[in-house]
Amino acid sequence: DTAVSQTPKYLVTQMGNDKSIKCEQNLGHDTMYWYKQDSKKFLKIMFSYNNKELIINETVPNRFSPKSPDKAHLNLHINSLELGDSAVYFCASSPSEGNTIYFGEGSWLTVV
Amino acid sequence: AQSVTQLDSQVPVFEEAPVELRCNYSSSVSVYLFWYVQYPNQGLQLLLKYLSGSTLVKGINGFEAEFNKSQTSFHLRKPSVHISDTAEYFCAVSEIGEKLTFGTGTRLTIIP
Repeated sequence: DTAVSQTPKYLVTQMGNDKSIKCEQNLGHDTMYWYKQDSKKFLKIMFSYNNKELIINETVPNRFSPKSPDKAHLNLHINSLELGDSAVYFCASSPSEGNTIYFGEGSWLTVV
Repeated sequence: AQSVTQLDSQVPVFEEAPVELRCNYSSSVSVYLFWYVQYPNQGLQLLLKYLSGSTLVKGINGFEAEFNKSQTSFHLRKPSVHISDTAEYFCAVSEIGEKLTFGTGTRLTIIP
């Protein structure tokens, strides 16, 4: 069983479209995250949720909206996609903030 | 605020040679330290972590790291590398209860 699973793994879409990436963890963790990894492999946190509540919201355009229906799910919705949004998006979870983080396999987003 | 520096962006090493990947951190309080590995087109996987106790930490795939508080370092080592160790390696630090901060990564390339 995959601990942190995200879908889709690959997504190619046109500029201006709206897309969502779904994430689920079956580890019973309280905290979930979205990270963005750019073409230079820089890994940057975007959002952190603890028990469905937003804890961290880094400087991210408001076109990105996370939604946590329950503590096992954290979905990422992106409006009006831009070329610069092309990246790998990782969902992750941990028992608590600052603890070991478990990553999903990543979602490769390409905006054309 | 915490920060982490990986001085080497790329490290080429001959197969069966030893390797050390450097990581230095900055923090005014006690920290947790982590090394993650990212194989091509995959997510990040935990290699090892230091939370407390012995300063020499052993991880998966024959890697180990040593926490040096006076030098604020957490270098990763392996006595003999294999082709399969080719990957991107990320050091990460968190002040207890705070978010994880990742370094910029070191690309380890094994030369046959």
